Amino acid sequence: SQQGEEDPQALSIQEGENATMNCSYKTSINNLQWYRQNSGRGLVHLILIRSNEREKHSGRLRVTLDTSKKSSSLLITASRAADTASYFCAAEGQFYFGTGTSLTVIP
Amino acid sequence: NAGVTQTPKFQVLKTGQSMTLQCAQDMNHEYMSWYRQDPGMGLRLIHYSVGAGITDQGEVPNGYNVSRSTTEDFPLRLLSAAPSQTSVYFCASSHDRGGTGELFFGEGSRLTVL
Repeated sequence: SQQGEEDPQALSIQEGENATMNCSYKTSINNLQWYRQNSGRGLVHLILIRSNEREKHSGRLRVTLDTSKKSSSLLITASRAADTASYFCAAEGQFYFGTGTSLTVIP
Repeated sequence: NAGVTQTPKFQVLKTGQSMTLQCAQDMNHEYMSWYRQDPGMGLRLIHYSVGAGITDQGEVPNGYNVSRSTTEDFPLRLLSAAPSQTSVYFCASSHDRGGTGELFFGEGSRLTVL
């Protein structure tokens, strides 16, 4: 069973636009994390949001968490070509990752 | 500070062969884990360890063996490789012993089983 499921599976936007991707999970959690994976590389941690937090910011990243709906969203503002990557959410515990959202930012 | 180091980066095996994927971390993390990543399947947890001498199964443990004799190393053994084990394997570690904190990933080991 997977704790994190991302939506959409793929997203293509123009540079400068905002990118929003969503994550749904199945059981109660204490925290949820977002990771980024460039093609052919390992995953890199972006941000962790705890269950008692509703919103968290880190640079151009904004993460929200709605525990009542068991969902989270990742917003990347003013996207850049270098943001092209796959993005994964992972619910806590044994970190079941979803299939990810593939983001393409067109220069 | 090397972080999490995986070797080899690429490997081709024949069905039935055995091999070990190496993983080492220099951050003194208690928690270490192995994932496989397949197209359209995301990352799936194979085995994990919360400290030296302690290992446990994840979501897809069949066909894989692990041991944790030191804090630094967490090798993954394929006992008799099968084509279904063709995948990209990632090792990860965390300062949080329960594995709920930030995960640090290696660069991956791409395995092809013919």
